[in-house]
Amino acid sequence: DVKVTQSSRYLVKRTGEKVFLECVQDMDHENMFWYRQDPGLGLRLIYFSYDVKMKEKGDIPEGYSVSREKKERFSLILESASTNQTSMYLCASSSMKGQGTGELFFGEGSRLTVL
Amino acid sequence: DAKTTQPNSMESNEEEPVHLPCNHSTISGTDYIHWYRQLPSQGPEYVIHGLTSNVNNRMASLAIAEDRKSSTLILHRATLRDAAVYYCTRDSGTYKYIFGTGTRLKVLA
Repeated sequence: DVKVTQSSRYLVKRTGEKVFLECVQDMDHENMFWYRQDPGLGLRLIYFSYDVKMKEKGDIPEGYSVSREKKERFSLILESASTNQTSMYLCASSSMKGQGTGELFFGEGSRLTVL
Repeated sequence: DAKTTQPNSMESNEEEPVHLPCNHSTISGTDYIHWYRQLPSQGPEYVIHGLTSNVNNRMASLAIAEDRKSSTLILHRATLRDAAVYYCTRDSGTYKYIFGTGTRLKVLA
């Protein structure tokens, strides 16, 4: 069964802490994504990566960075967590090359609370 | 501003068809339309996609307006397991899928 696995389902951190959210996919997909999901706002793209060591900003990259050292792993980093980063974070992957009909595969999400 | 809009919520009776609308008024001619659904405590899962023609698969049907500014996801016979948040999204070819805010579907037994 194909899978996108996020390392933590629930995290509680304090303001100013550095936070790592890890995502691993076992489908050999080229593309990986980090989304943020908030009530009333739907899914908003933070960063995506179309290849190892490549990254592109999404719509809301401020306060976040990413790392993709291996094809299967895509990490989201909050350098100094703030309370407005309390949210559900979703990782996804796909095998699309350019525009097309590729399907996004999502992980189960990581709910982060910043106190 | 690129926008995808959906009603916040809808209700359906079990075993009846459900039509979930989505407006994507700024869609371009090459954007694909995708639908995903999110069950409670899970990540979104793919339902269906299309470009211009209506599409069917084992989960649902997708009807795309002739001008492509709207689409409708059709669940032919709603079951309790179909209760979820349904998202339409556009694939603009830049990896930036533009998601709507989702429609929460409630299925009544």
